[in-house]
Amino acid sequence: AQSVTQLGSHVSVSEGALVLLRCNYSSSVPPYLFWYVQYPNQGLQLLLKYTSAATLVKGINGFEAEFKKSETSFHLTKPSAHMSDAAEYFCAVRASGVGGADGLTFGKGTHLIIQP
Amino acid sequence: EAGVAQSPRYKIIEKRQSVAFWCNPISGHATLYWYQQILGQGPKLLIQFQNNGVVDDSQLPKDRFSAERLKGVDSTLKIQPAKLEDSAVYLCASSLSRDLQKLYFGPGTRLTVT
Repeated sequence: AQSVTQLGSHVSVSEGALVLLRCNYSSSVPPYLFWYVQYPNQGLQLLLKYTSAATLVKGINGFEAEFKKSETSFHLTKPSAHMSDAAEYFCAVRASGVGGADGLTFGKGTHLIIQP
Repeated sequence: EAGVAQSPRYKIIEKRQSVAFWCNPISGHATLYWYQQILGQGPKLLIQFQNNGVVDDSQLPKDRFSAERLKGVDSTLKIQPAKLEDSAVYLCASSLSRDLQKLYFGPGTRLTVT
């Protein structure tokens, strides 16, 4: 079975500082990994995804993530935080694909707070 | 293009009552998912449809939850009878094929069970 663990339910950074949101995964097959963002009262939006191509993945809004198989990690980073980045962030891993099942397993989320 | 539509947006019921949620995916999207998001947690997959067939319902509490997608388009998720712990946002998502890189989520239905 696949699972993800997000370290830190809340992360607070100053505007302009580095953003680092941590995600570790467990998967019985080569993983497909995703980061989603959820703004208050809005739907989930895909930030970026890893699907076994380049290990450094660039997404929208200046975010990127690096897949590290040896560490089973897929941490999300952004060099300089902006006030508009304040939101809930979810790491997710795709199901194994057996029988066509490919729904996502999400982590519990990390609430990103940006201090002015 | 129009997004994934869900209704109602909000619903309040008493425990032991029944409730149904409706989802209209993006036109032409063959794959449809229902997720349950309890406050403070990540979404949890309940069921996956490919056209009108169930691909994965391993996490659906089948004693009280049911879902259907009769014509391979709209889908309905039902809870009968509801429990307090069913209070959550129910999210519908769709994709053109089994391509999670192009997965679109609806706004969700917020259910409160009192």
